[in-house]
Amino acid sequence: DGGITQSPKYLFRKEGQNVTLSCEQNLNHDAMYWYRQDPGQGLRLIYYSQIVNDFQKGDIAEGYSVSREKKESFPLTVTSAQKNPTAFYLCASSEEGNTEAFFGQGTRLTVV
Amino acid sequence: AQSVTQPDIHITVSEGASLELRCNYSYGATPYLFWYVQSPGQGLQLLLKYFSGDTLVQGIKGFEAEFKRSQSSFNLRKPSVHWSDAAEYFCAVGAWYQLIWGAGTKLIIKP
Repeated sequence: DGGITQSPKYLFRKEGQNVTLSCEQNLNHDAMYWYRQDPGQGLRLIYYSQIVNDFQKGDIAEGYSVSREKKESFPLTVTSAQKNPTAFYLCASSEEGNTEAFFGQGTRLTVV
Repeated sequence: AQSVTQPDIHITVSEGASLELRCNYSYGATPYLFWYVQSPGQGLQLLLKYFSGDTLVQGIKGFEAEFKRSQSSFNLRKPSVHWSDAAEYFCAVGAWYQLIWGAGTKLIIKP
């Protein structure tokens, strides 16, 4: 089945550590996105990528980094510079020029 | 400024009753419009979308939405809700590679 796979589902991080969230899609979509979701705030865009080896900052990119070395993969690193990383992270993808986004099941990151 | 407003944070309806969730937007041109649903701890699923044409759009799970250009609205409706419809609903508008999201409306179903 085609879809988007995020892993892990739950992730715990100690303060000062970097962590990487995985996102893989087999939909052959060109565009991929990372969103952060906090209660009562909807979704906020962290980074997006339209093609391999290219990505753009979204509204809240500070403290995050991404790479897009393969079309199907768009990992997100939450760095120690991110002041409040505890949140639910959603990865999505879409076809080029089509804004209909397909979502993964999310990763809940908790800083302990 | 571009924005999406979902005025109701929570809505409670009885099972079998009708439902309308409101979405208003501010955007420079007619955008693409979407409604997504999210169950707790899950990703988002597309309910329906409007790109152009007929302003009444049918979606999955018996939902529909009507685009009203004059009111900058894209309200979601369902004639009879089921307990399984309890979830959070998000309206989104945009074009190309960026979407603007509403804060969501949590739907609670009374038995």
